[in-house]
Amino acid sequence: GNSVTQMEGPVTLSEEAFLTINCTYTATGYPSLFWYVQYPGEGLQLLLKATKADDKGSNKGFEATYRKETTSFHLEKGSVQVSDSAVYFCALRSAGGTSYGKLTFGQGTILTVHP
Amino acid sequence: EAQVTQNPRYLITVTGKKLTVTCSQNMNHEYMSWYRQDPGLGLRQIYYSMNVEVTDKGDVPEGYKVSRKEKRNFPLILESPSPNQTSLYFCASSLASGVEQYFGPGTRLTVT
Repeated sequence: GNSVTQMEGPVTLSEEAFLTINCTYTATGYPSLFWYVQYPGEGLQLLLKATKADDKGSNKGFEATYRKETTSFHLEKGSVQVSDSAVYFCALRSAGGTSYGKLTFGQGTILTVHP
Repeated sequence: EAQVTQNPRYLITVTGKKLTVTCSQNMNHEYMSWYRQDPGLGLRQIYYSMNVEVTDKGDVPEGYKVSRKEKRNFPLILESPSPNQTSLYFCASSLASGVEQYFGPGTRLTVT
């Protein structure tokens, strides 16, 4: 079945530091890939997405590139802010078959940014 | 405002006492889904619904029921809750099964 693996957390950074959160996946076919963000006490919000190989998703200074050859979708940001402190989830959406539309999530990575 | 709402947001109950968590969306979405979030496990799908009167099991359906009598509502029913169902629950909806899902604010359930 499909699976998503994220780097172990939590991650603690100083403001303006560079962020990378690794995400790799296992899936059949050509899934779509997502990063969701969960701020304290809130539900999940879509941060960015990519629907095919070599696509780059970007939003709010975050970027991730769909790498089919390495089955990866790593999240990066050049300069984090305190307001970026949240839990980040990598997810994939099945491309077809009986699981079409289902989201499979990684375990989440807690990011804390200090001033 | 387009949104997914859940009620209650917090619930503490005892083993075996039936409960229902409601989910409603105002976006006329066909696809709705329930997830539970547990530390170190991410979100796991409980049940989903492709449209009215069409529901199917996700990865962890045991101990849960759902119904989809109206397009906007997708309640989650725990007939006999047990402590291992203590978790954070999220409802989500999307226009179709293959596009972005919108999540509700979550319901934190504790079963003692």
